[in-house]
Amino acid sequence: GDSVTQTEGQVALSEEDFLTIHCNYSASGYPALFWYVQYPGEGPQFLFRASRDKEKGSSRGFEATYNKEATSFHLQKASVQESDSAVYYCALRSNYGNEKITFGAGTKLTIKP
Amino acid sequence: GPKVLQIPSHQIIDMGQMVTLNCDPVSNHLYFYWYKQILGQQMEFLVNFYNGKVMEKSKLFKDQFSVERPDGSYFTLKIQPTALEDSAVYFCASSLGWDSDYTFGSGTRLLVI
Repeated sequence: GDSVTQTEGQVALSEEDFLTIHCNYSASGYPALFWYVQYPGEGPQFLFRASRDKEKGSSRGFEATYNKEATSFHLQKASVQESDSAVYYCALRSNYGNEKITFGAGTKLTIKP
Repeated sequence: GPKVLQIPSHQIIDMGQMVTLNCDPVSNHLYFYWYKQILGQQMEFLVNFYNGKVMEKSKLFKDQFSVERPDGSYFTLKIQPTALEDSAVYFCASSLGWDSDYTFGSGTRLLVI
């Protein structure tokens, strides 16, 4: 079945550091790829998506590029802020119709002021 | 933006009793979902629901689970009877179309004792 692997379970950075959270997927064809962010006590919020090879998704300074050859969708941000501290989920949905979104295990990002 | 409301936010229940988790989805959304997240673990798909019917359910959606949305009111997840392993945070989500991103609620934290 479809799956999403996030390499880092936790990431700790200082403000203005560069962020990369790695995401690799396993699915047939061209799944839609997503990033969601979850703040404490809340449900996940949609950040952005990409649906085609080499498409870049972005929002709030975060970005990721769909790489079908590498089956990756790594999240990056050039300069993180303390308010970016949250759990980030990479996710996918197969494009065969009526498919649910499958989430990765999540990466907890902590930004030190 | 539009929100999904989940009621109650917390519920403690004796093992073997019935519990109903309520979800008020975004008003014009047509697809509804339940996910289960055990503390510190991955968010896992339970079921999706469209046009009054279950479209897909996972192995986690045991026979003791049921969902419904009578007359366009709350989208509910009922567990009867509950078991200790049902303790988790249950997230409801809704989407406008099958290929749209999801809007999640803040979750119901269920503790079965």
